[in-house]
Amino acid sequence: SQQGEEDPQALSIQEGENATMNCSYKTSINNLQWYRQNSGRGLVHLILIRSNEREKHSGRLRVTLDTSKKSSSLLITASRAADTASYFCASPKTGANNLFFGTGTRLTVIP
Amino acid sequence: NAGVTQTPKFQVLKTGQSMTLQCAQDMNHNSMYWYRQDPGMGLRLIYYSASEGTTDKGEVPNGYNVSRLNKREFSLRLESAAPSQTSVYFCASSAGTGTWSGDYEQYFGPGTRLTVT
Repeated sequence: SQQGEEDPQALSIQEGENATMNCSYKTSINNLQWYRQNSGRGLVHLILIRSNEREKHSGRLRVTLDTSKKSSSLLITASRAADTASYFCASPKTGANNLFFGTGTRLTVIP
Repeated sequence: NAGVTQTPKFQVLKTGQSMTLQCAQDMNHNSMYWYRQDPGMGLRLIYYSASEGTTDKGEVPNGYNVSRLNKREFSLRLESAAPSQTSVYFCASSAGTGTWSGDYEQYFGPGTRLTVT
């Protein structure tokens, strides 16, 4: 079964707006990662947040992690058309040597 | 620095045919992975290799075999292709090794789009 589930499944916004995607997971984790996938391409790593961190920033990205609720969110500020992609959360189960990916959020940014 | 490369990019097979998907990485990574991606299913792990010389099953290993040829190369073989194996296949690598490989980011190849008729 999936370790992570993203919400919403699809999101459409205007350029310049903020986009928020959520991820819930099932078991305790050491870290949670977010990836982006442009249409027809491989996944690209965006950010990794460790279980002892609550918030992390990278450029226009802000990730939060709430281990008590087993959830994470990815915020993209001032979105651009180039941000149009699918976004996946992924996490390893504690002690596991591989990642489990969610089903993704499809983000469309309208110019 | 090419990162992770995969060949071929596209392949069409008839049911029962066999083929090998090739993957290579030039980042001196210890761990390598094979995933399949189907619509609405996200990525599912087929097999992985947490270090040179070891391979382990993932979530969906049935119908596949793998070989970790050396530290750079990790191949995926379909011995007798079935329509249910129609999918996009991704290879990935990470610097982690052993039990804590999941603590490292993964680098993905561009994918192989496989159709089995």
